[in-house]
Amino acid sequence: QSALTQPPSASGSPGQSVTISCTGTSSDVGGYNYVSWYQQHPGKAPKVMIYEVSKRPPGVPDRFSGSKSGNTASLTVSGLQADDEADYYCNSYAGSNNLVFGTGTKVTVL
Amino acid sequence: EEQLLESGGGLVRPGGSLRLSCAASGFTFSSYAMSWVRQAPGKGLEWVSGISGSGASTYYADSVKGRFTISRDNSRNTLYMQMNSLRAEDTAAYYCAKAVRGGFFGYSWFDPWGQGTLVSVSS
Repeated sequence: QSALTQPPSASGSPGQSVTISCTGTSSDVGGYNYVSWYQQHPGKAPKVMIYEVSKRPPGVPDRFSGSKSGNTASLTVSGLQADDEADYYCNSYAGSNNLVFGTGTKVTVL
Repeated sequence: EEQLLESGGGLVRPGGSLRLSCAASGFTFSSYAMSWVRQAPGKGLEWVSGISGSGASTYYADSVKGRFTISRDNSRNTLYMQMNSLRAEDTAAYYCAKAVRGGFFGYSWFDPWGQGTLVSVSS
């Protein structure tokens, strides 16, 4: 199972928005609404930010939003803040009892 | 507060074995599927294995199938990963994570995660 494709990096100034794409196939992202997004700060464990494509867990700011179109899922971070600087990974169910993560995107707040 | 604490990592020679543990607290352990996810140094996340709440069903990534065995002891609130025939490419931080949605782990998201335990495979 190949990793989902994410851009290596994305950046924006404080207050701006950044959108990260996560491209898979009809066998994973396109076939299921089980896409989640994780934020990981250096040296820390991942933290879920979005689940089931667009749902936010309690405590996650509404500045974080998710969507999906075809085989590509997206995470948008609005109103960028310094603490949003981190690595972000998408994740999808890939059928046949497999999960697949994205390649990861480093978000830099300029 | 829900918590997961991994242990058992270390340095091992190629071909060797290691057993990781993940102690859970703050939730009814047997009610939730669990997974192991690893991250090689400077690299991305890779799903490794999953197990149902009862332990009756187990699932593996192709990269570890036949070499790793996931298990759980619900009486001890502990998840395990027995790793045999270790290779250099198994070097990574290993995280355990709780599948939030009941039922099949693949339809779920993971929260919380442990802090990770580092496995280094080198001669």
